Amino acid sequence: EAGVTQFPSHSVIEKGQTVTLRCDPISGHDNLYWYRRVMGKEIKFLLHFVKESKQDESGMPNNRFLAERTGGTYSTLKVQPAELEDSGVYFCASSQSGTPGTGELFFGEGSRLTVL
Amino acid sequence: AQSVTQPDIHITVSEGASLELRCNYSYGATPYLFWYVQSPGQGLQLLLKYFSGDTLVQGIKGFEAEFKRSQSSFNLRKPSVHWSDAAEYFCAVVPYSSASKIIFGSGTRLSIRP
Repeated sequence: EAGVTQFPSHSVIEKGQTVTLRCDPISGHDNLYWYRRVMGKEIKFLLHFVKESKQDESGMPNNRFLAERTGGTYSTLKVQPAELEDSGVYFCASSQSGTPGTGELFFGEGSRLTVL
Repeated sequence: AQSVTQPDIHITVSEGASLELRCNYSYGATPYLFWYVQSPGQGLQLLLKYFSGDTLVQGIKGFEAEFKRSQSSFNLRKPSVHWSDAAEYFCAVVPYSSASKIIFGSGTRLSIRP
């Protein structure tokens, strides 16, 4: 069974440009999460989808970030316009259970974003 | 403020030596506790978790962790490390069962000396 897949693995863009990251969760997992690790610091929660609905988006840093999950399958995270501080690794995770406290999250390898 | 602290940024141990990675948390109640590992080129993988019960938890790859309420700690241990254990290790908490988000520590990078 395929794991969580993220694309691209690495993206290099200039400040002001737009980048879209994609996450394909494990088939059948209704719960999808985005996390981000900036500059070797801690990994921080961005948001949580249950199917196509945003359950918790309290970690989204600002309105330059837009996450979607049309049809409740794959998800995209768009950064527009990108700023230097957006550089980091963006992780996607999925689970069958509704919360990390009750079920295991399966993480992808991450998408590394470099903004120049 | 609520937080997870991993005081060691980078640790180097010799192959075959024992390992202990430190983790302290700051929460009012006992949260759900986790250790994750990220090996080069791979995603985060769950090593073990503690919810309740026996405070010594066994995980995959020969790792174990001990929850100490009095010290607010959840240290990860392995009696004998292998070169393949070189990776970055993250301690994490979920404040309560229905919380959506995992709170991660800043990670400890483990290097193995041949």
